Amino acid sequence: DTGVSQNPRHKITKRGQNVTFRCDPISEHNRLYWYRQTLGQGPEFLTYFQNEAQLEKSRLLSDRFSAERPKGSFSTLEIQRTEQGDSAMYLCASSLRQGQHINEKLFFGSGTQLSVL
Amino acid sequence: SQQGEEDPQALSIQEGENATMNCSYKTSINNLQWYRQNSGRGLVHLILIRSNEREKHSGRLRVTLDTSKKSSSLLITASRAADTASYFCAPLPIQGAQKLVFGQGTRLTINP
Repeated sequence: DTGVSQNPRHKITKRGQNVTFRCDPISEHNRLYWYRQTLGQGPEFLTYFQNEAQLEKSRLLSDRFSAERPKGSFSTLEIQRTEQGDSAMYLCASSLRQGQHINEKLFFGSGTQLSVL
Repeated sequence: SQQGEEDPQALSIQEGENATMNCSYKTSINNLQWYRQNSGRGLVHLILIRSNEREKHSGRLRVTLDTSKKSSSLLITASRAADTASYFCAPLPIQGAQKLVFGQGTRLTINP
């Protein structure tokens, strides 16, 4: 168990550029979540997957954001045409949901800190 | 709203004292979880309490749950400098999407 891995740890980009982040969950985990967190705030839910299926996407998420989990393993989060307001920590978490067992807990990565200049 | 609301927003105590944080929520829940976040890091799961449980212990942590009041509390006894972090509660609702939503948290500072 190597934990949830996120890459890169830091990303600095210019406004208008596209960025992509990667998350590698714990290997046997079937659920994967993306959150966004700004300084002094709690994590804001963005989207989550069960295996390769995207189950929900936050209504607050603009069309510039897209996430994939093509083979039910790692996931990518892409932001197109970045804006300064996108600057935040992007957190990934994974969990194991077994049938109707709902007492799952989330394991978080260390996050990717995005700075849009 | 699905998320929990933590109170107080900030708490500063001396090392060795006990720290109590509270969480209120609005919906019926399956369980409620508490997480800790050190500065610049991801969240770490601390403890999960099921809706049919009233109290749970884990080391220096004690969590209570009152479903009639829709509230929970996290008590950290004999605090240490390493307990300095933000603490978040996350209720898992019975109805609707089975995902965890976080509030703003309680920022705990332990002074040496």
